Amino acid sequence: GAVVSQHPSWVICKSGTSVKIECRSLDFQATTMFWYRQFPKQSLMLMATSNEGSKATYEQGVEKDKFLINHASLTLSTLTVTSAHPEDSSFYICSARDWSLNTQYFGPGTRLTVL
Amino acid sequence: AQRVTQPEKLLSVFKGAPVELKCNYSYSGSPELFWYVQYSRQRLQLLLRHISRESIKGFTADLNKGETSFHLKKPFAQEEDSAMYYCALSGINAGNMLTFGGGTRLMVKP
Repeated sequence: GAVVSQHPSWVICKSGTSVKIECRSLDFQATTMFWYRQFPKQSLMLMATSNEGSKATYEQGVEKDKFLINHASLTLSTLTVTSAHPEDSSFYICSARDWSLNTQYFGPGTRLTVL
Repeated sequence: AQRVTQPEKLLSVFKGAPVELKCNYSYSGSPELFWYVQYSRQRLQLLLRHISRESIKGFTADLNKGETSFHLKKPFAQEEDSAMYYCALSGINAGNMLTFGGGTRLMVKP
């Protein structure tokens, strides 16, 4: 199946810093990518839908100024957690949709720990 | 609004026993239903989808529109089936976005 990569796989940062997470679709073009957040022992919660060349669509309750999403190309979307705080510590997972197969492929996730 | 419910957070069975992971949904229209699996320390991956009507790793799931259910079944569980299982729904009403259930952890004991 198709592959979606994320970088970094884990990051530890100080409170107040910004962290950028990259999501790449390696063997298909993804006009639509999704960013999820997963707390321990909980399900995935959709944060935003990222569309190539346009603004992301954020789910209710997700601060767009806090979680900046950029989808500048058909194979790359980035999530920047600005001015991170300990409560932002979580597992962030991206997903890319292959419309030709009507299938979503998931990245391995990025574990963010804010001290 | 679309919603997916997995009533069991944990399901523990012995090897060789039948398994049924429950999934109920609410959606006004014709949804597409999926089961995703997440093995320990691995990414989420698609297990099966209702439109394919296929059996993957011995698992099957039938969409019951009357009961709005999409339960995942396997007649004889194996230890390697131990994982987190997520039922998900996609529908044109919500831009084909996936909505996930809360997940069920399946533990298959030897």
